[in-house]
Amino acid sequence: GAVVSQHPSWVICKSGTSVKIECRSLDFQATTMFWYRQFPKQSLMLMATSNEGSKATYEQGVEKDKFLINHASLTLSTLTVTSAHPEDSSFYICSVQIQAGETQYFGPGTRLLVL
Amino acid sequence: QKEVEQDPGPLSVPEGAIVSLNCTYSNSAFQYFMWYRQYSRKGPELLMYTYSSGNKEDGRFTAQVDKSSKYISLFIRDSQPSDSATYLCAMSEGGGSNYKLTFGKGTLLTVNP
Repeated sequence: GAVVSQHPSWVICKSGTSVKIECRSLDFQATTMFWYRQFPKQSLMLMATSNEGSKATYEQGVEKDKFLINHASLTLSTLTVTSAHPEDSSFYICSVQIQAGETQYFGPGTRLLVL
Repeated sequence: QKEVEQDPGPLSVPEGAIVSLNCTYSNSAFQYFMWYRQYSRKGPELLMYTYSSGNKEDGRFTAQVDKSSKYISLFIRDSQPSDSATYLCAMSEGGGSNYKLTFGKGTLLTVNP
């Protein structure tokens, strides 16, 4: 399987600031990466699909201007939470897909706390 | 009806027990079926991956898919305290633009020593 890293693993920020989360595929070139959000005791909610070299595809109800995604290379995708508010506090997880339609391999997650 | 139904538990078993986890689904186009294990405050870890109907075994874990009944299962033999985690089923139609995973809500399992 693919090895996926995320940085940072946790972050605390003040309301109104922006936070960038990196997702790296360490041993595979990933044309497609996914970003999820998970609230306590709930399942993963897909936020957007990140395609290398093109604009991300956002799920219904996810604000694309608030959650900026950049997939600049085959091994790196970034999620920037702009003007973060306390309700954005959550566990953000990325994943990579090696072949279309097949399984995804997840990163360790980034815990965001907005004060 | 939700696309994927999974009993959230919690499920508590003694060490050494056989654990059965299940999901049902409504979308007959699902072809790829996965089970993930997620420890608290960690990302999901892929346990089992199957395509279409049938059984797959890996060590103490067995995954079963019955597409005719739209039902998938994960069996854990000789359960260990280290198996205590949330287990998520996931599935996808596969191919082209249908590569998104649809997850169950997850079942919280505790294996007591």
